[in-house]
Amino acid sequence: DTGVSQDPRHKITKRGQNVTFRCDPISEHNRLYWYRQTLGQGPEFLTYFQNEAQLEKSRLLSDRFSAERPKGSFSTLEIQRTEQGDSAMYLCASSLSVGEKLFFGSGTQLSVL
Amino acid sequence: GDSVTQMEGPVTLSEEAFLTINCTYTATGYPSLFWYVQYPGEGLQLLLKATKADDKGSNKGFEATYRKETTSFHLEKGSVQVSDSAVYFCALSGFQGAQKLVFGQGTRLTINP
Repeated sequence: DTGVSQDPRHKITKRGQNVTFRCDPISEHNRLYWYRQTLGQGPEFLTYFQNEAQLEKSRLLSDRFSAERPKGSFSTLEIQRTEQGDSAMYLCASSLSVGEKLFFGSGTQLSVL
Repeated sequence: GDSVTQMEGPVTLSEEAFLTINCTYTATGYPSLFWYVQYPGEGLQLLLKATKADDKGSNKGFEATYRKETTSFHLEKGSVQVSDSAVYFCALSGFQGAQKLVFGQGTRLTINP
């Protein structure tokens, strides 16, 4: 069990650029979640996958955000035309199935200049 | 919608002091309740949980009791250690199927030797 892995740990970009983050869940975990955490706040739910199917998206996830989980393994979160308000920690979590414990990665810290 | 309100921090205590971090929630139905902890440089970790009224979750000397009548889930520890210094998040899951977590804003705890 190597834990949930996120890459990169830090990303600095200029406003208007596109960025992509990757999450590798714990092997055999069917559920994968994305959360966003801003300074001094708790994580906020963005979206989740059951295997390769994206089952729910938060209203926080504007049209500039897209997430995929091809083949039900790793997941990517892309933000197009980044804005300064996108600066946050993006957290990934996975769980074995419904009702099971969530395991979180260490996150990707995005700074939009 | 569902929400969680936590005691504002930061909280600073001396080693061996008694700890209480207050948490109240608003939710429809019967949510599950959680405390997560984030140690410096690490991902969120589940500390304890309770899934129904009057349940007591416990782990590493920490305890919290699900109080439906007061919609609360306060975290307590009888004697804190320097190693307990971290950020603590109260959270709820309103829908068992999705296990989408709603977090409080977090409480930073510092324990001085």
